[in-house]
Amino acid sequence: GAVVSQHPSWVICKSGTSVKIECRSLDFQATTMFWYRQFPKQSLMLMATSNEGSKATYEQGVEKDKFLINHASLTLSTLTVTSAHPEDSSFYICSASPGDRESYEQYFGPGTRLTVT
Amino acid sequence: GQNIDQPTEMTATEGAIVQINCTYQTSGFNGLFWYQQHAGEAPTFLSYNVLDGLEEKGRFSSFLSRSKGYSYLLLKELQMKDSASYLCVVMDSNYQLIWGAGTKLIIKP
Repeated sequence: GAVVSQHPSWVICKSGTSVKIECRSLDFQATTMFWYRQFPKQSLMLMATSNEGSKATYEQGVEKDKFLINHASLTLSTLTVTSAHPEDSSFYICSASPGDRESYEQYFGPGTRLTVT
Repeated sequence: GQNIDQPTEMTATEGAIVQINCTYQTSGFNGLFWYQQHAGEAPTFLSYNVLDGLEEKGRFSSFLSRSKGYSYLLLKELQMKDSASYLCVVMDSNYQLIWGAGTKLIIKP
């Protein structure tokens, strides 16, 4: 149980275009979903936290108009990188939490590798 | 500020035991996690400690001392597949996750 999927696994896009990444919890309802970015040889950096039906909370330094997050249902959150630039190339990982405060284990998706040319 | 310290890199021998330490200073505490991450993959959950003491799960054990702001992950009977980064993560009083930089563990035959 507790499987999280991401789509696509990898994507290459041209500078200036937008890319949408989907994160789905397959066998549980995710009250909260998190989006992370990881640059090579670095730890995960939290970008934003989203709760179903409300606006995402962005971490300091993350442009909310550039990284659009939608958490429309308890099993789906999307991250759209708008007007992508080469510096946005990174490994984007989502995680989902059932939100039970006695068990804050997060279940991670497999990640999406974005390359902007 | 909030801070998590763990060694950058460690080397151990196949079949041996290794202990990865983590010290933290955070705004409150709601639990400490250890994750394993292989290169190019997402992290996988290893353990969660919220009370002092040792939690054993197969070859992996995790220890917590809240008064000392200290945890360690103990890996026994090391296998080559254990070569990975091990991330120490603390949940603060606002239920925000504070991530350590990770310890790269290299296993040699």
